[in-house]
Amino acid sequence: AQKITQTQPGMFVQEKEAVTLDCTYDTSDPSYGLFWYKQPSSGEMIFLIYQGSYDQQNATEGRYSLNFQKARKSANLVISASQLGDSAMYFCAMRGPQGGNNRLAFGKGNQVVVIP
Amino acid sequence: DTGVSQDPRHKITKRGQNVTFRCDPISEHNRLYWYRQTLGQGPEFLTYFQNEAQLEKSRLLSDRFSAERPKGSFSTLEIQRTEQGDSAMYLCASSSTVASANNSPLHFGNGTRLTVT
Repeated sequence: AQKITQTQPGMFVQEKEAVTLDCTYDTSDPSYGLFWYKQPSSGEMIFLIYQGSYDQQNATEGRYSLNFQKARKSANLVISASQLGDSAMYFCAMRGPQGGNNRLAFGKGNQVVVIP
Repeated sequence: DTGVSQDPRHKITKRGQNVTFRCDPISEHNRLYWYRQTLGQGPEFLTYFQNEAQLEKSRLLSDRFSAERPKGSFSTLEIQRTEQGDSAMYLCASSSTVASANNSPLHFGNGTRLTVT
């Protein structure tokens, strides 16, 4: 079965600093997609960034970038120049044939608090 | 386009009562998903529709839970004879239809928070 692991404890980050959130995954599928979502205290899940298993380049979207290490099965999210509004839970998720080609399987999340 | 809409935002009910939640997906999306999220956990998949067809159900979806999408647009999730363990955030999401596309993200609504007393 597909599995997403996010084990970091809650993190405090200084405003304007970068933060890296760890995500490892387990799958036997050669084709899969990796997603990161942000969930602020208001509850909505906000899509941030996507990485495909066959993508040669690491994905980037504005201040978000994904450090994709396929052999290690890790897909860490890097947030550069943290802002107070980045305080939230961050979830790593995976989609692939093994887990059903349509739904996403989520990890338990990483808590980030940005301090001024 | 106003995104995925869920109603109500909050629901408090007594154990044993039935509750129904509604989800309106993004209009051009014909895939619709229901997830459940408890405190400190990531969302857990419950069920998935493509148009009006319910194509997949999780083992989490006991026989007290039923979901419908009668016209392939909005969806309802009903929980019968609620239990305290049903207390959670119920999230609805939709995505566009591109066959076997791994890169199509799910767009989530704000969720319905259910409290069973």
